[in-house]
Amino acid sequence: DTGVSQDPRHKITKRGQNVTFRCDPISEHNRLYWYRQTLGQGPEFLTYFQNEAQLEKSRLLSDRFSAERPKGSFSTLEIQRTEQGDSAMYLCASSLIPGYEQYFGPGTRLTVT
Amino acid sequence: KNQVEQSPQSLIILEGKNCTLQCNYTVSPFSNLRWYKQDTGRGPVSLTIMTFSENTKSNGRYTATLDADTKQSSLHITASQLSDSASYICVVIRDSNYQLIWGAGTKLIIKP
Repeated sequence: DTGVSQDPRHKITKRGQNVTFRCDPISEHNRLYWYRQTLGQGPEFLTYFQNEAQLEKSRLLSDRFSAERPKGSFSTLEIQRTEQGDSAMYLCASSLIPGYEQYFGPGTRLTVT
Repeated sequence: KNQVEQSPQSLIILEGKNCTLQCNYTVSPFSNLRWYKQDTGRGPVSLTIMTFSENTKSNGRYTATLDADTKQSSLHITASQLSDSASYICVVIRDSNYQLIWGAGTKLIIKP
């Protein structure tokens, strides 16, 4: 399977704990995007990388959120001191060229109790 | 303000029937418009991509139309199947920075 993969698929954590998600994009794709999606809404942009450089961060990405793509391949999204409002589906997508088709992973469903 | 609005919010139809989903946008400058299908608990999957000059594009039983003058798009599903049950999201890409502007989606339920 050469699609975008995400791990874990589901995560349940207690409020105040830290969580880290991983995304493996399609291998030749330079751009990697993170989105958050809540029930009944379309995905909301969080941040994106061009290779290893983080080029844009949404205002939604508070100080508790950090994303990395250290070698321009896989990426991690960490949420510190989780809050119940962080409960959502976290989607990763990758594309070959800016403006071209974004291919989405299956998402990580986070539930903060 | 750059926005994408979809209607209806939800739709229930019987298997075998046709349906049409609507998307209106106020995004500028316009690059292209995409329809995605998202199954529950899964990531979105692209159905069609339409540029400014394209009026109609088909993908199997899915046909998308685009009227760039009125800034409207529709997705028509023919002979619906149970597997068509999903959310259908309209996305408009801005030409200036390739920003994706997402609609909230239409939740389609196909009943046997």
